[in-house]
Amino acid sequence: GQQVMQIPQYQHVQEGEDFTTYCNSSTTLSNIQWYKQRPGGHPVFLIQLVKSGEVKKQKRLTFQFGEAKKNSSLHITATQTTDVGTYFCAGPPGGSNYKLTFGKGTLLTVNP
Amino acid sequence: GAGVSQSPSNKVTEKGKDVELRCDPISGHTALYWYRQSLGQGLEFLIYFQGNSAPDKSGLPSDRFSAERTGGSVSTLTIQRTQQEDSAVYLCASSSRLAHQETQYFGPGTRLLVL
Repeated sequence: GQQVMQIPQYQHVQEGEDFTTYCNSSTTLSNIQWYKQRPGGHPVFLIQLVKSGEVKKQKRLTFQFGEAKKNSSLHITATQTTDVGTYFCAGPPGGSNYKLTFGKGTLLTVNP
Repeated sequence: GAGVSQSPSNKVTEKGKDVELRCDPISGHTALYWYRQSLGQGLEFLIYFQGNSAPDKSGLPSDRFSAERTGGSVSTLTIQRTQQEDSAVYLCASSSRLAHQETQYFGPGTRLLVL
C-alpha cells in the first residue's frame, strides 16, 4: 500500500534558525495536506497543496509540492518557540477520495 | 462555533474489558473519521463515515473494534476485550464534504491505557 515517509524524525534548532521537513510518498498524490500537532494537543490543519510544483506561504512557513506530486516540503524561516510541535504531512492513497495516509511526522523543538 | 468533542478525555481500563469512546462532530459535518495514534507515531486510519453511506471499515485492526454513527452525528468507537497494544490516543475528525480536499477538524482525542 501507499507509504508516506517524513524526514527528519526529530529536529532541534536554536530560536531564529530555519527548519525544513520533507515528505515523500511512494505513489503520486492528488493533493497533500500538512498538519501541526502541539505537544499534548491534536492535529490542526495548516494547508493543502493540489497543483504540481505549487508553492504556498503562510507568514514564515513555506510549503512546496513537487513537480511529480510525490514529495513535499515545509520550510520555516526564523523559528520561534511557538513553532514547537510535530508536523505531519498526509495524502490520499490512490483510488481514495477521503482517506488520508499520514507520515510519522517531524518533531520540532526550539531552544529559546 | 463548537469544535469536535470527544469523551472521555482519558480512559484507564483492565485488559479484557470493553470500552466505548464517543465523538461529537462539528454540527453539519457529514464526514467523520476515527484515527489511532500510538506514542511517537503518525495517525492510523481506522474508519470513515459519510452521511448515510456504508462506512469504510477497512482500517479497523481486528474484529474487536467496531464503530457506529447514529443519526448522522454522534459516533461511538467500541473496543471489546481490550489488549495492552490497544493503548493509544484515539482521535476523531470531521469534515464538511465528501471530497478529501476538505479540511479535517480533529477532536482532542481519548487517551486509552490498557493495564
